Amino acid sequence: RKEVEQDPGPFNVPEGATVAFNCTYSNSASQSFFWYRQDCRKEPKLLMSVYSSGNEDGRFTAQLNRASQYISLLIRDSKLSDSATYLCVVIHRLYKYIFGTGTRLKVLA
Amino acid sequence: EAQVTQNPRYLITVTGKKLTVTCSQNMNHEYMSWYRQDPGLGLRQIYYSMNVEVTDKGDVPEGYKVSRKEKRNFPLILESPSPNQTSLYFCASSPWRGLAADTQYFGPGTRLTVL
Repeated sequence: RKEVEQDPGPFNVPEGATVAFNCTYSNSASQSFFWYRQDCRKEPKLLMSVYSSGNEDGRFTAQLNRASQYISLLIRDSKLSDSATYLCVVIHRLYKYIFGTGTRLKVLA
Repeated sequence: EAQVTQNPRYLITVTGKKLTVTCSQNMNHEYMSWYRQDPGLGLRQIYYSMNVEVTDKGDVPEGYKVSRKEKRNFPLILESPSPNQTSLYFCASSPWRGLAADTQYFGPGTRLTVL
């Protein structure tokens, strides 16, 4: 079983739709969680950190469920510019980052 | 401008010819790391460094070497490249927050082809 698992998609959604991604992790000792965005073969860029209490940044909401060992990302009112691959990242030791393989989102006009 | 730079951005080489990919950051970050990205496998950590002269293996270190003689630089060395090292490589850096590393900032990537 992979340490961090994501549905690869693609998720094809119309503009204005709400879409949600989940990411599961296997190590219960995992400490920090992030969502990154990656445009085609470019460098990943931080979208948001994920906190136990959940956090929101504009149209984006991230949640952490430690009991079930998953994190989620919700995108409301999808824009064409949201089309990208979304990477889930988990730190389960102080220094080791584990990336999911990513979920592809395509927002359609 | 705060950034991570990598050179070269594109490289085509032949099996066995030693090469170095440079990585430099201007943010005074303690933590630096190298990843390779392959289709279907995502980003996998090759090596990381917690500070000058402190390095450790990631998930896929075979065939690679690194050094951290200065805080800002973290070169990746392929002593004898092989075709299975054809990949997209990213360097990243991160500040420490308390006892743990935090958000990583990535370089633009190096696309390496080994023939």
